[in-house]
Amino acid sequence: EAGVAQSPRYKIIEKRQSVAFWCNPISGHATLYWYQQILGQGPKLLIQFQNNGVVDDSQLPKDRFSAERLKGVDSTLKIQPAKLEDSAVYLCASSLVVGHGNEQFFGPGTRLTVL
Amino acid sequence: GDSVTQMEGPVTLSEEAFLTINCTYTATGYPSLFWYVQYPGEGLQLLLKATKADDKGSNKGFEATYRKETTSFHLEKGSVQVSDSAVYFCALNYGGATNKLIFGTGTLLAVQP
Repeated sequence: EAGVAQSPRYKIIEKRQSVAFWCNPISGHATLYWYQQILGQGPKLLIQFQNNGVVDDSQLPKDRFSAERLKGVDSTLKIQPAKLEDSAVYLCASSLVVGHGNEQFFGPGTRLTVL
Repeated sequence: GDSVTQMEGPVTLSEEAFLTINCTYTATGYPSLFWYVQYPGEGLQLLLKATKADDKGSNKGFEATYRKETTSFHLEKGSVQVSDSAVYFCALNYGGATNKLIFGTGTLLAVQP
């Protein structure tokens, strides 16, 4: 079974530029998550989709971050314009269902450096 | 709010040593508890989990017991190997519609031969 795919793996941009990340979840997984992992910290949820609807985006900085999940499969996360503090690893995860104890499967992440 | 606190690393051990990584949590309800592991260059992988008080999760020689009375979920292994070198994250969630994981800051384990 293929895992969660993400691209690109690395991205370096200058502040105020735009960037987009792509995620393809495990086939059949209805729930998709984007987490931000700043160096030295644990991952923090940015947004959760159930199929193509948003369940939780309370931690998403909506003035600069946006995300979509067209057709309930792939997802893109965009930052426009980027700030220095956006330097982090962006993790995509998916799960078959939501519920007590259900596992989330993580992709390898995209490491973003903002100069 | 809910949070997870882990012991700071790095933890450096010799091969075959006993491992303990402490994890405590603050929760308003009754969460599930998890240990995820991140090997160099790879994504997070679930190592083990427990969904209710007194449950013991175990996998690959690692184990952790959900202790409600001490709000803890310490990770242990009797004999570590060099291949166990990784970053270990303790986390909690409640399931339900909002299924987010709340992570600790991670603990780097380095096992020397």
